[in-house]
Amino acid sequence: KNQVEQSPQSLIILEGKNCTLQCNYTVSPFSNLRWYKQDTGRGPVSLTIMTFSENTKSNGRYTATLDADTKQSSLHITASQLSDSASYICVVSVQTGANNLFFGTGTRLTVIP
Amino acid sequence: SAVISQKPSRDICQRGTSLTIQCQVDSQVTMMFWYRQQPGQSLTLIATANQGSEATYESGFVIDKFPISRPNLTFSTLTVSNMSPEDSSIYLCSVTRTGGASGELFFGEGSRLTVL
Repeated sequence: KNQVEQSPQSLIILEGKNCTLQCNYTVSPFSNLRWYKQDTGRGPVSLTIMTFSENTKSNGRYTATLDADTKQSSLHITASQLSDSASYICVVSVQTGANNLFFGTGTRLTVIP
Repeated sequence: SAVISQKPSRDICQRGTSLTIQCQVDSQVTMMFWYRQQPGQSLTLIATANQGSEATYESGFVIDKFPISRPNLTFSTLTVSNMSPEDSSIYLCSVTRTGGASGELFFGEGSRLTVL
């Protein structure tokens, strides 16, 4: 069964600290993995997209890693800011099928001053 | 990127009524999708809006409950019919230009629906 699981479900960190969010998936055949940021009351916004051959990709203070062998991905946030408070959603694509996107339930990050 | 405008951004509706959500994109796109995000849940695909033909619905979603229109390559509507409190959700329009599994997916701001 194609599934995407994220951990932790929620996280509270102090401003300026780093944090890492996890995504494990059982999706097959794998096409790509995306991380989205969703601010409260807003639509998701893409942070990174990685294919099978990529094991790391950065977007500013956000760095995503991918281990296609273990089917794990992480999103590392460096020097967190209050504006990083949001839900972070991991989305995995399969190569076939009309509904080829599988969404995690997200990690709710709260950055406090 | 793609600029996606959804209307209304939020609404409070009475049980038994219907609401139509509009999605306007700033340029032509290959594919348009409608998602539902229930409180505390992940996004669930409702249907793919096909230009000039009937939408393709996912398991658990039917045209009578969620009629969809897509008259052209930049506009689509989703209607939530005969609403009940269980329909309270955020409804999101999303688009991709290139299509396929590798296409970048852009989302609208969402329409937050509360059914009393």
